[in-house]
Amino acid sequence: AQSVTQLDSQVPVFEEAPVELRCNYSSSVSVYLFWYVQYPNQGLQLLLKYLSGSTLVKGINGFEAEFNKSQTSFHLRKPSVHISDTAEYFCAVRDGGSQGNLIFGKGTKLSVKP
Amino acid sequence: ETGVTQTPRHLVMGMTNKKSLKCEQHLGHNAMYWYKQSAKKPLELMFVYNFKEQTENNSVPSRFSPECPNSSHLFLHLHTLQPEDSALYLCASSQETGWPEAFFGQGTRLTVV
Repeated sequence: AQSVTQLDSQVPVFEEAPVELRCNYSSSVSVYLFWYVQYPNQGLQLLLKYLSGSTLVKGINGFEAEFNKSQTSFHLRKPSVHISDTAEYFCAVRDGGSQGNLIFGKGTKLSVKP
Repeated sequence: ETGVTQTPRHLVMGMTNKKSLKCEQHLGHNAMYWYKQSAKKPLELMFVYNFKEQTENNSVPSRFSPECPNSSHLFLHLHTLQPEDSALYLCASSQETGWPEAFFGQGTRLTVV
């Protein structure tokens, strides 16, 4: 069965600094990969997704992620964060071409400090 | 606004109460889901409905009872809950089960006292 590991439970960073949130998944022939963001007291909002094609995926709010099949990773990056990026970020995977459901990681809390 | 609306946003209930959570989606999707989000745990998939039929029940206790009267509405009926059931309950929808992308509601924060 698929699994997702988010290596950092919390990431503190100063405003305007770059950030990388790490995500690894268990291997599969093909996968769909997602990053969701959850602001306080809100539901999950899709940031970006990888379905196929280019391994560098750009999402909303200046975030991007790179699919690395050999390392089974899908790390999320932003070159310069803002206070408003403070939220919890969830990586999720679904087996491609199947009826499999989304499997989520435990989440990474990003805290952006002034 | 994601097109998935959950009510109420907050709910406090006693262990002997009966209450219901409601989810409505305006996206024309055919699959709907209930997830439970507890602190420090991954999101847990509870139930899946596809075209109004329940296709998955992930060993959820019978004190949680889902209902899907049509493809746009999903309910979660609650009775005799335990304090450990306190969590954020999230509803999601997708075009069909197996469709890559899912859209989430804002959740209902449930506290069982």
